[in-house]
Amino acid sequence: NAGVTQTPKFQVLKTGQSMTLQCAQDMNHEYMSWYRQDPGMGLRLIHYSVGAGITDQGEVPNGYNVSRSTTEDFPLRLLSAAPSQTSVYFCASTLQGLGSPLHFGNGTRLTVT
Amino acid sequence: AQSVTQLDSQVPVFEEAPVELRCNYSSSVSVYLFWYVQYPNQGLQLLLKYLSGSTLVKGINGFEAEFNKSQTSFHLRKPSVHISDTAEYFCAVSGMDSSYKLIFGSGTRLLVRP
Repeated sequence: NAGVTQTPKFQVLKTGQSMTLQCAQDMNHEYMSWYRQDPGMGLRLIHYSVGAGITDQGEVPNGYNVSRSTTEDFPLRLLSAAPSQTSVYFCASTLQGLGSPLHFGNGTRLTVT
Repeated sequence: AQSVTQLDSQVPVFEEAPVELRCNYSSSVSVYLFWYVQYPNQGLQLLLKYLSGSTLVKGINGFEAEFNKSQTSFHLRKPSVHISDTAEYFCAVSGMDSSYKLIFGSGTRLLVRP
């Protein structure tokens, strides 16, 4: 099993550009989420989904959009990148219920200039 | 809503010494608690978790943590650290009513010196 796969691993954008960070999991997990990691701030939840067709906002949703058309995929879209979105982004998935642990991808390092 | 506080941003320690990484949480509902470890340029891996039952939880690599409900703490301990334990450690909490929605602390960097 590949687990949680994120692409690309690195990306440089100019302010105002758009892009989509891809996330796919092959474990049939219902729940998927996106976090951003910034120095001294830990991981902050951006958006999450409890199943296909259902998404909700986390702690820091502004500037990001998500959709969940299939169980496997949960892309994160930046419509107009800003320097404040320079960060490392992690996708995670889990089964619902009873404190199931999150399975993380290896991250996407995004720089916005 | 839940929140997590990790007061120590960095903890330096000599090899074979004991270590404790502190974590305090707040929540209006009962919680599940987790510790994750992140090695350089990698994603996060689960070290251990507390769901219910015994307040002392043992995890991988010789780590353990103790849940203290009255002090709302979940401190991570290891009796003797190795150089390979150098990494960043994150405490996380989720409410039992939304167990998949983890809220993370700011992380503690454990630096093990020879």
